Amino acid sequence: EAQVTQNPRYLITVTGKKLTVTCSQNMNHEYMSWYRQDPGLGLRQIYYSMNVEVTDKGDVPEGYKVSRKEKRNFPLILESPSPNQTSLYFCASSLIGLYNEQFFGPGTRLTVL
Amino acid sequence: SQELEQSPQSLIVQEGKNLTINCTSSKTLYGLYWYKQKYGEGLIFLMMLQKGGEEKSHEKITAKLDEKKQQSSLHITASQPSHAGIYLCGAALRGSARQLTFGSGTQLTVLP
Repeated sequence: EAQVTQNPRYLITVTGKKLTVTCSQNMNHEYMSWYRQDPGLGLRQIYYSMNVEVTDKGDVPEGYKVSRKEKRNFPLILESPSPNQTSLYFCASSLIGLYNEQFFGPGTRLTVL
Repeated sequence: SQELEQSPQSLIVQEGKNLTINCTSSKTLYGLYWYKQKYGEGLIFLMMLQKGGEEKSHEKITAKLDEKKQQSSLHITASQPSHAGIYLCGAALRGSARQLTFGSGTQLTVLP
């Protein structure tokens, strides 16, 4: 089954404790992206990647890191999480090109205390 | 202000009623996407429009992209409780698939 998976689905942590949210897709997509969703703000893009070893900042990259060592994986790293990073996070992937559907993962709900 | 404005922000309708959700941009919309989201869950792709004047339908949901490609509407005919959720529009405002911008969503409640 074609899908985007994320782990963990739920995470409660404390300020400053490094964490990684994994994202994996099995569709051989070149493009992958991370979003955060907050009430009233919709989805905002954090980082995206056009291919292996190619990453770029989205609209809200501060406090986040990503890597793309393999085509299928695109982990999101929070080196020192803060409470304002409490949010619902989505990973997405698609083929390169303007008119290709983005497939979304199920989301990771992160709470930083 | 948001680059993609959705209206209304929330909508409560009686089952069986028709409804329309709008997505408006001050820039040209490239590859306009409509997604549905159940609260706190992932996004389900509904349809994508790319050409001005284009209209697509799936079951009781119809989406249109106006000729100037700056506004899209999503119309649901004879709404059902299963239509309830958050509807999000997304678009590549910069003419590139690298960065998609999303509206803040429309929360739809359908009363049985």
